[in-house]
Amino acid sequence: GENVEQHPSTLSVQEGDSAVIKCTYSDSASNYFPWYKQELGKRPQLIIDIRSNVGEKKDQRIAVTLNKTAKHFSLHITETQPEDSAVYFCAAMHASGGSYIPTFGRGTSLIVHP
Amino acid sequence: DTAVSQTPKYLVTQMGNDKSIKCEQNLGHDTMYWYKQDSKKFLKIMFSYNNKELIINETVPNRFSPKSPDKAHLNLHINSLELGDSAVYFCASSHSGETQYFGPGTRLLVL
Repeated sequence: GENVEQHPSTLSVQEGDSAVIKCTYSDSASNYFPWYKQELGKRPQLIIDIRSNVGEKKDQRIAVTLNKTAKHFSLHITETQPEDSAVYFCAAMHASGGSYIPTFGRGTSLIVHP
Repeated sequence: DTAVSQTPKYLVTQMGNDKSIKCEQNLGHDTMYWYKQDSKKFLKIMFSYNNKELIINETVPNRFSPKSPDKAHLNLHINSLELGDSAVYFCASSHSGETQYFGPGTRLLVL
């Protein structure tokens, strides 16, 4: 099955700095890579995603890059703000029979200090 | 008009009891899921279910069973609750397995 590794587990930055979270996956058949943000006590919510036919995608201060050959993808947050503080999860989607199964990374706790 | 809803929000119960958590989605999605999030925040998928196939994470004890009365509902039944079952349980739905829309979570505490 798929295995997703996520690093770092904790990331502390100053407001205005950039933050980068990296994930690797093992199944070359995985073709959809979403990122979720989970604020304290809340549900995970999608913030950005990328498909295997695209190398990079950007949405305002958030960008995701994908290297299919190396099987890794990264989340980049620029000009971080205190409200970016949350746990971020990467995921890789792979087919299992007739269904698609997400495998999540273990999460990165991002702390943005004012 | 909540997209994915779960009940109850909190559940406190004694060891050995049987309990159920309900989940409903009004997004017209074809696939529903149950996740367990432990104290270390790890999101572990327990089940994936669409109208054709139930996929079970092999590490999930058979005390846990999903029940789907229709495409919009996927309930979770837990028999003989144990202390280690204490966690937050999230229901989610998606269209063909892509973006997951999560419910608000059910915080289960087994005493």
